[in-house]
Amino acid sequence: TQLLEQSPQFLSIQEGENLTVYCNSSSVFSSLQWYRQEPGEGPVLLVTVVTGGEVKKLKRLTFQFGDARKDSSLHITAAQPGDTGLYLCAGGTASGTYKYIFGTGTRLKVLA
Amino acid sequence: GAVVSQHPSRVICKSGTSVKIECRSLDFQATTMFWYRQFPKQSLMLMATSNEGSKATYEQGVEKDKFLINHASLTLSTLTVTSAHPEDSSFYICSARRLAEWGEQYFGPGTRLTVT
Repeated sequence: TQLLEQSPQFLSIQEGENLTVYCNSSSVFSSLQWYRQEPGEGPVLLVTVVTGGEVKKLKRLTFQFGDARKDSSLHITAAQPGDTGLYLCAGGTASGTYKYIFGTGTRLKVLA
Repeated sequence: GAVVSQHPSRVICKSGTSVKIECRSLDFQATTMFWYRQFPKQSLMLMATSNEGSKATYEQGVEKDKFLINHASLTLSTLTVTSAHPEDSSFYICSARRLAEWGEQYFGPGTRLTVT
C-alpha cells in the first residue's frame, strides 16, 4: 500500500510568516499534485509536478518534487489569512488505471 | 473549463435505506471518474475508480456490494450506498478525468451524507 505522510499535521502561524509543508513516501510516484481544500468543498488543484527535482512557483507558493520522486514540499512565503485551509498532496501512480493517492493532509491556519 | 457537479450536495437518510449520489462532468467527456470518501478533519481516501462502460475497480478494504458504482455514460457516474448505517456518514467526493488526459482530474463539490 502506498502511503503519503504529510508534516506537520497542523500549523497555526501569524500573518507574514513563512512555512513549509512536507509530503513523504517510501514509494516512487509518476507525478505529484498539491491541492487546497476549504471546509465543505472539493479540493482545488494548485500544481502538478512530474520531473524529479522540479520546482514550480505560483505567486507566494513554491513547490518542489524530490529528485527520487518520493517526496515533495510546499513553501509559502509571507502567509496571509486567505491561505488558511487543508493542504493535500497526492501522488500519481500508474498501477492499472492512472490514479492519485492522497496524503494525510496539513491543516493550516493563518492568523491576522 | 472543466466543471464537475454532484447531486445532492447534502442528504440525510435513515439507517437501512439506500442513497444514490450522482457525479456529472458538465462540459467535458470523462472516461474515468474517481470516488473518494473523507471523514471530518481527515484526508481523502480513494474508494474506487470508475471507467465508462466497465466495472469499477475498488480499493482494498472497500466493500463493492455496499458501495455500488455505475458509470453508464461519459458524463455520469453514480455511487449508491446500500443499506446505509451511521458509520457510512461521511463526505463523498467524485473527480473526473477528461478524455485523453492522463493525469488531470477535476473535483466535484462533494456530497455530505448523514445516516440517522
